[in-house]
Amino acid sequence: EDQVTQSPEALRLQEGESSSLNCSYTVSGLRGLFWYRQDPGKGPEFLFTLYSAGEEKEKERLKATLTKKESFLHITAPKPEDSATYLCAVQAYRGGSEKLVFGKGTKLTVNP
Amino acid sequence: GAVVSQHPSWVICKSGTSVKIECRSLDFQATTMFWYRQFPKQSLMLMATSNEGSKATYEQGVEKDKFLINHASLTLSTLTVTSAHPEDSSFYICSAGRTYNEQFFGPGTRLTVL
Repeated sequence: EDQVTQSPEALRLQEGESSSLNCSYTVSGLRGLFWYRQDPGKGPEFLFTLYSAGEEKEKERLKATLTKKESFLHITAPKPEDSATYLCAVQAYRGGSEKLVFGKGTKLTVNP
Repeated sequence: GAVVSQHPSWVICKSGTSVKIECRSLDFQATTMFWYRQFPKQSLMLMATSNEGSKATYEQGVEKDKFLINHASLTLSTLTVTSAHPEDSSFYICSAGRTYNEQFFGPGTRLTVL
């Protein structure tokens, strides 16, 4: 069964304090690993897609990396506006279509 | 580009009534649309996948007669919650696939059933 586990569930940082969020996954036939940002009461906002182990992608203060078993979202010198829930999802081909399986997310709070 | 809208953004209804939620891809054609449900502090759970012009494929445990999905065009899919009950109260989110590995999400619809 496809499974995505994110840790920690919640993370509080001071502004400027760098850290990493973890996403471990089990899926047969990984088609892609996705990171989304979700603000309260809103739909997920796309951040990154990673396809193969060793791949890295960056966007402003965020950097995503991928291994065969997990992905990390590194946040460098975060700002209060980075506060959100970060979702990880794996894409697998099931039942004739591409599907995303989501983790529960990590709620990040950055204090000024 | 790649904007997905949902309407309404929130709805409150009485138990036993039906509610329709619309999902539109505004600037691209989506051959596939997905409907998710999210309970507080839980992950997004895929309910069903719909392809334009064909019947939706429902995930295990999702009642297809209760959650009616229509994908009438390449830019519009609707989810109708029939005979809604308080346990159906949730955050419903749609996404539209531009290519096989791109899904763009709508802003979500908060459903509260009294």
